[in-house]
Amino acid sequence: QSALTQPRSVSGSPGQSVTISCTGTSSDVGGYNYVSWYQQHPGKAPKLMIYDVSKRPSGVPDRFSGSKSGNTASLTISGLQAEDEADYYCCSYAGSYVFGTGTKVTVL
Amino acid sequence: QVQLVESGGGLVKPGGSLRLSCAASGFTFSDYYMSWIRQAPGKGLEWVSYISSSGSTIYYADSVKGRFTISRDNAKNSLYLQMNSLRAEDTAVYYCARAQIVVVPAAIGYWGQGTLVTVSS
Repeated sequence: QSALTQPRSVSGSPGQSVTISCTGTSSDVGGYNYVSWYQQHPGKAPKLMIYDVSKRPSGVPDRFSGSKSGNTASLTISGLQAEDEADYYCCSYAGSYVFGTGTKVTVL
Repeated sequence: QVQLVESGGGLVKPGGSLRLSCAASGFTFSDYYMSWIRQAPGKGLEWVSYISSSGSTIYYADSVKGRFTISRDNAKNSLYLQMNSLRAEDTAVYYCARAQIVVVPAAIGYWGQGTLVTVSS
């Protein structure tokens, strides 16, 4: 399977909102409500931020939200904070996993 | 708390073999699907393989099919990845990972810290 398509980078000032898109096909993103998002700081393991398109695990701030329309899923970070600067990956599960290409979020 | 500790990484020549291990604790290991996910230096995440809680269901990425074998020992709370016919493009940090919930392994809830595998002559 081909990797899901994400923008290479997005940026925003503290307090602003940024949205990361994740585009797949009807065989993955569009076909199932099993999209998850991961945050990865340099040198660290990824951390689950959103699962099942829009659900947040306990402990994840409600500034993080997810949605999906057709073959494209999105992660929105509201009220951007310095610690949100990281790489973000989407992932679709359809019997196997396919990850997105990754997006670097920069806090200006 | 959930802990996943990988071991077995290192430097290996092309065509060689390596066996990774993952020691799990802090949860009922035999209840969860487990995966191996890798990340080449400076690159993105790539799913490698997963195994169901009982070991009866196994899937591999096309890039490793026929060369890698995933297995688990529920009595020892351990996950393994036997890697044969290694290639330079297998160079990566390999993460042991647990599904977030028991019923459907749709998301990865927990990750180990990773072990580096370098394939080079």
